[in-house]
Amino acid sequence: TQLLEQSPQFLSIQEGENLTVYCNSSSVFSSLQWYRQEPGEGPVLLVTVVTGGEVKKLKRLTFQFGDARKDSSLHITAAQPGDTGLYLCAGAWWGRGSARQLTFGSGTQLTVLP
Amino acid sequence: DTGVSQDPRHKITKRGQNVTFRCDPISEHNRLYWYRQTLGQGPEFLTYFQNEAQLEKSRLLSDRFSAERPKGSFSTLEIQRTEQGDSAMYLCASSPDRVLTEAFFGQGTRLTVV
Repeated sequence: TQLLEQSPQFLSIQEGENLTVYCNSSSVFSSLQWYRQEPGEGPVLLVTVVTGGEVKKLKRLTFQFGDARKDSSLHITAAQPGDTGLYLCAGAWWGRGSARQLTFGSGTQLTVLP
Repeated sequence: DTGVSQDPRHKITKRGQNVTFRCDPISEHNRLYWYRQTLGQGPEFLTYFQNEAQLEKSRLLSDRFSAERPKGSFSTLEIQRTEQGDSAMYLCASSPDRVLTEAFFGQGTRLTVV
C-alpha cells in the first residue's frame, strides 16, 4: 500500500505570511495532484504535476514536484483568509494496472487569520 | 452546471436501515470513483468504474456496500444495515479516460447514522 504523508497537519498563520506544506511518499508517483477542500464540500482540483522537478504556479500558489517524483510541496505567498481550507495531495501509481485510483494524504488544515 | 452531481447532500438514517446515494458524473468522463471521508482525514478509496465495469473495490467496501453504474452513466452506492461507523462524507468523482488521473469531485453526501 502506497502511503502519502502530509505535513504539517494543522497550520494557523496571519494574513500576509508565507507558508509551505509538504507531501511525501516512499514510492514514485506517476502523477500527483493538489486539491483544496472547504467544509461540507468536495475537494477542488488545483494542479496536476507529472514530471520530476516540475514547478507550476497558480497566482500566489507555487507547486513543486520532487526530482525523484516521491515528494511535492505547495508554497503560498502572502496568504489571505480566502486561502483557508484543507489542502490535500493525491498520488496515482500506474503500476497497479488498470486501477487509476488516487490515494490521498490526510491533508493540511490551513487557517489564515485576518 | 456540468460538474459532478451527488444526491442527496445530506442523509440522516437510523442504524440498521438501508441507504442509497446517487452520483451523476461529468458526461464525457468514462471513469467514476467513490471515496469516503471522515472528519480530519483525506478521502479513502472505495471503488472504481471504467464505464459500466467495476474494476476495483477497496477492502473498506464490506459486503454491506454495493455500487453499480448501469449503462456507464450515473452510479449508485448502497449501504445495507447501516452502522454508526458508516457515518461519513461519501464523495463521488469522475475522470476522463486519459493518461493522467485527474479526478473531479462532487459536493458529497454527508451520511449520519443515529
